[in-house]
Amino acid sequence: AQSVTQLGSHVSVSEGALVLLRCNYSSSVPPYLFWYVQYPNQGLQLLLKYTTGATLVKGINGFEAEFKKSETSFHLTKPSAHMSDAAEYFCAVSDRGNQFYFGTGTSLTVIP
Amino acid sequence: DAGVIQSPRHEVTEMGQEVTLRCKPISGHNSLFWYRQTMMRGLELLIYFNNNVPIDDSGMPEDRFSAKMPNASFSTLKIQPSEPRDSAVYFCASNRRGTGAYNEQFFGPGTRLTVL
Repeated sequence: AQSVTQLGSHVSVSEGALVLLRCNYSSSVPPYLFWYVQYPNQGLQLLLKYTTGATLVKGINGFEAEFKKSETSFHLTKPSAHMSDAAEYFCAVSDRGNQFYFGTGTSLTVIP
Repeated sequence: DAGVIQSPRHEVTEMGQEVTLRCKPISGHNSLFWYRQTMMRGLELLIYFNNNVPIDDSGMPEDRFSAKMPNASFSTLKIQPSEPRDSAVYFCASNRRGTGAYNEQFFGPGTRLTVL
């Protein structure tokens, strides 16, 4: 069975500070891993994904995530937060079938 | 490229009325998903189709909910009768399942449903 845990439903950072959003997964098979972002009143947009190959994945808007199999983690980072990064972020795991399992989301607030 | 299209974007209705939400997936995608998002429950998968056939509807909350996909370019989610607790944002997503496809899901903008 697959599942995702996002630690921290709310994260606040100062503008220019490091962003770290945590995601741990459980999967019985090698997973595909995704981060999505949802801006207010919008649908979910893909930020980045890990499927195979390099474990450090770069996405849009300066975000990146590292797949760590030993830690079953896929944390999302950005070196310097921008006001426009304020949004809801969802981690998701796929069992390489067609089912996605989403985390409960982390709301990111950026303080000027 | 047109993304996933949903209509209407907003729907306000009274309890007991029938509500129909519509979705047009991305051309060439063969799987379609309906999700519901609320503050209390987060993002829930209601049902998904593969090649127009419902594969998993275990997330459909009650018999009041039904979904159809008559062809590859159109799906509906119907609630009859609607209740205030159905108020939520309903998302449609699609992807291409098959060899070489990494099954990334593409989401529509959602329909915000308010049942009074």
